[in-house]
Amino acid sequence: SQTIHQWPATLVQPVGSPLSLECTVEGTSNPNLYWYRQAAGRGLQLLFYSVGIGQISSEVPQNLSASRPQDRQFILSSKKLLLSDSGFYLCAWSVRSQETQYFGPGTRLLVL
Amino acid sequence: DQQVKQNSPSLSVQEGRISILNCDYTNSMFDYFLWYKKYPAEGPTFLISISSIKDKNEDGRFTVFLNKSAKHLSLHIVPSQPGDSAVYFCAALYGQNFVFGPGTRLSVLP
Repeated sequence: SQTIHQWPATLVQPVGSPLSLECTVEGTSNPNLYWYRQAAGRGLQLLFYSVGIGQISSEVPQNLSASRPQDRQFILSSKKLLLSDSGFYLCAWSVRSQETQYFGPGTRLLVL
Repeated sequence: DQQVKQNSPSLSVQEGRISILNCDYTNSMFDYFLWYKKYPAEGPTFLISISSIKDKNEDGRFTVFLNKSAKHLSLHIVPSQPGDSAVYFCAALYGQNFVFGPGTRLSVLP
């Protein structure tokens, strides 16, 4: 069966520090991968999606970047965090030919 | 402009009664719709979906209804249980365009 992992689960970082969140998927090949952010009291905002290694599409201009160095690995990064980057970050995957997305457990990021 | 709307931020229902969560969309290109359930500090979990060629899909206590002419879908939970208390997200999809609504917090009271 397929599983999706995210780490760390919780992160507290000072403003201006770098960020690296990692997401890995097991049990499937060539998945579509997604990064979402849920800000407090708001819905899910799609940040990036990837249909293959090295292929990244960005949905909104922002302080963050994403990379997909391996088929089942998706990384969310920032060179300098802002206070507004605080939120709950979710990674998701889907099988290319199907529509349903499956989410990881999320990372809670607090920028102080 | 919000393409997927859930106009009720919260809903309270008595245990055993029906919960009805509503969702409206504006883009007629959406051809697949999903409902997710989310507990605090966890990722959303998929509940049920419906293709635009159908108007109803049922899975146990969960039924989703789609009214394409009104661009409206709803999730019915019968009977509601305290464990159903969570935030419910409606999502709409076409191609790679996957859009979530803002969510509705359901509280099922014992």
